[in-house]
Amino acid sequence: KNEVEQSPQNLTAQEGEFITINCSYSVGISALHWLQQHPGGGIVSLFMLSSGKKKHGRLIATINIQEKHSSLHITASHPRDSAVYICAGRLGGSEKLVFGKGTKLTVNP
Amino acid sequence: DAMVIQNPRYQVTQFGKPVTLSCSQTLNHNVMYWYQQKSSQAPKLLFHYYDKDFNNEADTPDNFQSRRPNTSFCFLDIRSPGLGDAAMYLCATSNRHKNSNQPQHFGDGTRLSIL
Repeated sequence: KNEVEQSPQNLTAQEGEFITINCSYSVGISALHWLQQHPGGGIVSLFMLSSGKKKHGRLIATINIQEKHSSLHITASHPRDSAVYICAGRLGGSEKLVFGKGTKLTVNP
Repeated sequence: DAMVIQNPRYQVTQFGKPVTLSCSQTLNHNVMYWYQQKSSQAPKLLFHYYDKDFNNEADTPDNFQSRRPNTSFCFLDIRSPGLGDAAMYLCATSNRHKNSNQPQHFGDGTRLSIL
């Protein structure tokens, strides 16, 4: 079964804290998206990874292919980072994304 | 610069009255997707176009149809909306290349309400 599991489901942090969201995925996933969705809003694609590490501003995403695990890190978190972060795996040979249930992040000032 | 543009942002229609949602893209991507996202749930893929080839997901209701008249535009038609069709509808694009993974770019969505 193709699955994407995220943890934690909810995360509350104080402004400035370092944040990590984890994602594990099953066999058959060829690439992983990290997505951000603000309440009532559309989805912003943050990263797509099939190996290694990517960085954009305060966001860092890593993936370990052997362990089938990916992490999204936010350094120096800010209240505007509050959103739902979604890990989505792309099935190899398919256009389909398998979505995790999302992590709701709240960063308090 | 908006690259995947969905109009309108909010759409209200009556029960049973046909409605069309639109999506346009400036990325010249060859794949366009329509997702349905209900409250507190993950997006669900309805269908996608690869160029002019239409690919329907097996569990997409017959009530939902799509048109892609050219590379830039894709429409979602809901023939007879029911109360259960109230949701956020997300359009996304990507550029499919042989043997490579390309990210999907999402629009801001259209929130559909049914009266």
